[in-house]
Amino acid sequence: EAGVVQSPRYKIIEKKQPVAFWCNPISGHNTLYWYRQNLGQGPELLIRYENEEAVDDSQLPKDRFSAERLKGVDSTLKIQPAELGDSAVYLCASSLDLLRLSETQYFGPGTRLLVL
Amino acid sequence: AQKITQTQPGMFVQEKEAVTLDCTYDTSDQSYGLFWYKQPSSGEMIFLIYQGSYDEQNATEGRYSLNFQKARKSANLVISASQLGDSAMYFCAMREDTGRRALTFGSGTRLQVQP
Repeated sequence: EAGVVQSPRYKIIEKKQPVAFWCNPISGHNTLYWYRQNLGQGPELLIRYENEEAVDDSQLPKDRFSAERLKGVDSTLKIQPAELGDSAVYLCASSLDLLRLSETQYFGPGTRLLVL
Repeated sequence: AQKITQTQPGMFVQEKEAVTLDCTYDTSDQSYGLFWYKQPSSGEMIFLIYQGSYDEQNATEGRYSLNFQKARKSANLVISASQLGDSAMYFCAMREDTGRRALTFGSGTRLQVQP
């Protein structure tokens, strides 16, 4: 079974430029998450999707960040314009059924973003 | 208030020895779940073990076990017979049954296994 796929793995951009990250979750997983992991810290949730609906985006900086999951499968996270403080690893995760407390989230390898 | 606290930024252990990674948590929920993830240098978060707040037995998964002390609000990870491949960052995380139900992670512990 294929895991969570993310691309690109690395991205270097100059500040004020736009950038987009792509995620394909594990087949059949209805719930998709985007996390941001700053250096030396644990991941923090940006947005959670149930199918194509964003059910938790309270931590997403909506002035510059946007996300979509149009067909309830793969998802794109965009930053426009990027700022120096956006340098981080962006992790995508998916899970089968959020209703179970024990439900495991499976993570992709992440996209490491460096904003210069 | 920080919900997950990992007080050990870094730990060293000799190969084949056991090591305990500390995790304390804070919640007012009665129902919650605790998770440990491993993050090697490749960046992917790998699920290791889960403990539910109502589970009476400590969770075990192969060489991993979770020392769950509910009254102390601690959920320490024990790795037995350490291997060189265990060198990585380890994160403790919690999901509460109410509210956002999102995973909240600690700041992690870097484990280095020495030959």
